[in-house]
Amino acid sequence: GENVEQHPSTLSVQEGDSAVIKCTYSDSASNYFPWYKQELGKGPQLIIDIRSNVGEKKDQRIAVTLNKTAKHFSLHITETQPEDSAVYFCAAVNNAGNMLTFGGGTRLMVKP
Amino acid sequence: DAGITQSPRHKVTETGTPVTLRCHQTENHRYMYWYRQDPGHGLRLIHYSYGVKDTDKGEVSDGYSVSRSKTEDFLLTLESATSSQTSVYFCAISETALTGTSGNTIYFGEGSWLTVV
Repeated sequence: GENVEQHPSTLSVQEGDSAVIKCTYSDSASNYFPWYKQELGKGPQLIIDIRSNVGEKKDQRIAVTLNKTAKHFSLHITETQPEDSAVYFCAAVNNAGNMLTFGGGTRLMVKP
Repeated sequence: DAGITQSPRHKVTETGTPVTLRCHQTENHRYMYWYRQDPGHGLRLIHYSYGVKDTDKGEVSDGYSVSRSKTEDFLLTLESATSSQTSVYFCAISETALTGTSGNTIYFGEGSWLTVV
């Protein structure tokens, strides 16, 4: 089955700096890669996703890149703000499209 | 926010008792999922449904059963709760399967905190 590895597990940045979270996946047939933000006591919220037919996608301060050859994808947050502090999860969908496999999560702390 | 309601939001139960968690959606989405979240394991799929009365197992289905008698409701049952089932349970929905270059997206509910003592 699919295996998703996520790094780093914790990330501390200064407000205004950039943050990068990286994930690798094992199933070369995977073709959908969402990113979720989870605040304490809440459910994961989709923040951006990318499909295999594109290499990069951007939404304001957030961007995701995908390298299918290397089987890795990354989340980039620019101009970080304290409200970006949360746990971020990457995920990959299996070939049948019925299951998301999640990475272990990254706790991002943005210091004012 | 996607129209997903989970109940109960918090529950404490004793080992060996049955527990049912309910997920209700107002989006008329075909697919519904139950995940559990534990420290060090992230989110793991328990069961999912791809239509009324159509369900299948996920990666951690032992000790759990599900039922879907209506499009809007997906029930997760722990027949005899154990301490290892103490966790946060998330329901999720998607309109279609997630595969393909123009497939759909999965949205999560707010979670149900279950403690088995």
